[in-house]
Amino acid sequence: AQTVTQSQPEMSVQEAETVTLSCTYDTSESNYYLFWYKQPPSRQMILVIRQEAYKQQNATENRFSVNFQKAAKSFSLKISDSQLGDTAMYFCAFMKLEHGSSNTGKLIFGQGTTLQVKP
Amino acid sequence: EPEVTQTPSHQVTQMGQEVILRCVPISNHLYFYWYRQILGQKVEFLVSFYNNEISEKSEIFDDQFSVERPDGSNFTLKIRSTKLEDSAMYFCASSRTGLSNYGYTFGSGTRLTVV
Repeated sequence: AQTVTQSQPEMSVQEAETVTLSCTYDTSESNYYLFWYKQPPSRQMILVIRQEAYKQQNATENRFSVNFQKAAKSFSLKISDSQLGDTAMYFCAFMKLEHGSSNTGKLIFGQGTTLQVKP
Repeated sequence: EPEVTQTPSHQVTQMGQEVILRCVPISNHLYFYWYRQILGQKVEFLVSFYNNEISEKSEIFDDQFSVERPDGSNFTLKIRSTKLEDSAMYFCASSRTGLSNYGYTFGSGTRLTVV
């Protein structure tokens, strides 16, 4: 069974600074996807960034980037130039990739990290 | 941008009552999901649904839960006899394919309070 661990329950960062959120996962699968979701106080789940395990290049979306270390099973999220609107809970998530119709698309989430951006 | 719509946003029910949570997925999506988040805790998978049948369910999804796509647009989660521990945020999500390498689109959730 796959597990996702976020070891930082809470973090804070000053506006305009950079912060890194940690995520590790455990799986015996070789093909999978990894995601970071943001959950602001509105409770909506918003996709921040995704990474395909077969890609060595780290994904980047504007101020958000990941450090994907497949051998170490680590998937950290870096937020550059933090903004007040980045204040939210951040979830790391894993999805196993199965072939054909057996792929159910189930997401396994970590416990979440609450990020507070301070003015 | 297309959205997944969930209704109601908040529902209060008495223990032992049946509740139906409703979701309207994005129209060209084929895979549908329910997740649960007990307040302050992690998001947990309940069930995935494809081609009018359950494709995977978790241990949480026991006999008191059921899902249905009654009319080709709505996707519902029914809890037959609610318990206090069913109080949680319930999220519906949909995706175009099961690969979902673009991630899902989540609805804004229904907060269920069982009293």
